[in-house]
Amino acid sequence: DAGITQSPRHKVTETGTPVTLRCHQTENHRYMYWYRQDPGHGLRLIHYSYGVKDTDKGEVSDGYSVSRSKTEDFLLTLESATSSQTSVYFCAITTNGGADTQYFGPGTRLTVL
Amino acid sequence: AQSVTQPDIHITVSEGASLELRCNYSYGATPYLFWYVQSPGQGLQLLLKYFSGDTLVQGIKGFEAEFKRSQSSFNLRKPSVHWSDAAEYFCAVGRTTFPSGSARQLTFGSGTQLTVLP
Repeated sequence: DAGITQSPRHKVTETGTPVTLRCHQTENHRYMYWYRQDPGHGLRLIHYSYGVKDTDKGEVSDGYSVSRSKTEDFLLTLESATSSQTSVYFCAITTNGGADTQYFGPGTRLTVL
Repeated sequence: AQSVTQPDIHITVSEGASLELRCNYSYGATPYLFWYVQSPGQGLQLLLKYFSGDTLVQGIKGFEAEFKRSQSSFNLRKPSVHWSDAAEYFCAVGRTTFPSGSARQLTFGSGTQLTVLP
């Protein structure tokens, strides 16, 4: 357990509505990541952060934005949710300064109707 | 670009039997390799990792994996499977990213679902 919580854990929303998922960590880790998990695809990186206000895109960033205004929180926003964004979203952190292992939160199941 | 292939979508073994899950990767430099396990409705738990050194690495729950550079493989093994090992297993390869210079971007395989028969 790397002190990661995600909220909400489950959400159902409608196409076109904005959605924000929150990742919160309690151990002051610098590096944080957002992944989505879909059947047959494993996990794919959406965005990551390497410090407050420092973020970069991952493999599947289209339709997503992120923000990190303080060390402990990394927010993932879907500006206008689409059905293709129905997925399970995982937040992760890296210990020991980035070049070490990623530990994952419990996940958020998002359904876009 | 890096990639990971897990050729077996689903494997069924009997309890007490040995297990090998296959993982092949594509990466231009020395890879950082990981195996994670996911139980239904849960997050991912790290089983083991390879960064450098001894090519046979030991992990938690009695798992081990062997890095074979010549075969671009990092197969996961367990000599005797327990019913509690039923889960989905993911292999991943990591590379450092820029501009941060040290954040690790992971590429995952599509997973292998393990069923354990009594």
